[in-house]
Amino acid sequence: QVQLQESGPGLVKPSETLSLTCTVSGYSISSGYYWGWIRQPPGKGLEWIGSIYHSGSTYYNPSLKSRVTISVDTSKNQFSLKLSSVTAADTAVYYCARDRTWIQLGSSGYYMDVWGKGTTVTVSS
Amino acid sequence: QSVLTQPPSVSGAPGQRVTISCTGSSSNIGAGYDVHWYQQLPGTAPKLLIYGNSNRPSGVPDRFSGSKSGTSASLAITGLQAEDEADYYCQSYDSSLRVFGGGTKLTVL
Repeated sequence: QVQLQESGPGLVKPSETLSLTCTVSGYSISSGYYWGWIRQPPGKGLEWIGSIYHSGSTYYNPSLKSRVTISVDTSKNQFSLKLSSVTAADTAVYYCARDRTWIQLGSSGYYMDVWGKGTTVTVSS
Repeated sequence: QSVLTQPPSVSGAPGQRVTISCTGSSSNIGAGYDVHWYQQLPGTAPKLLIYGNSNRPSGVPDRFSGSKSGTSASLAITGLQAEDEADYYCQSYDSSLRVFGGGTKLTVL
């Protein structure tokens, strides 16, 4: 079955760049679908950061767009998140997920059907 | 402020039925974008519970059901069990964004 695993530093200094990688197993990224990043600050709800299509097209949350870069490496079956100029407000559990398109007569959308276990990132000096 | 509005908490006794609402607007649910629901057990990652308003992924009990009407959606849980105690999130699409509700904590009394 499809599995996703986040990896990266658990501690990042303020003003530096947060870098995370999501490794996908059980499915080839190049075969299709979007792949996304979602975060959850301590005690708070979920926030979509952005998604990347298998071809490389990216879609970002406008609230983070100036600081976010999502990329894909199909040779390693991985996609990555970079968030620059981090502050304490970026402290959160970061999840990667498969982001599926939903289309039926008269309606559409996207949903995340497979999630990684999440990785905690703390921004602190 | 979340784009989708959910009650912060709901509760019910074992065996009862509870519903969780998700209220959006004409730019998301009302625009024809469907609603999806996730269950987040304590200390774990979210899990897809309902997609496309009312479809259950394989393995999700039929005690969980979803519906959508106008600019709102609802998640219903019947035959409440202790293991259902979790946070529940609705999600839809709005102006090129995947948007989530603020989450609802379900307490089983």
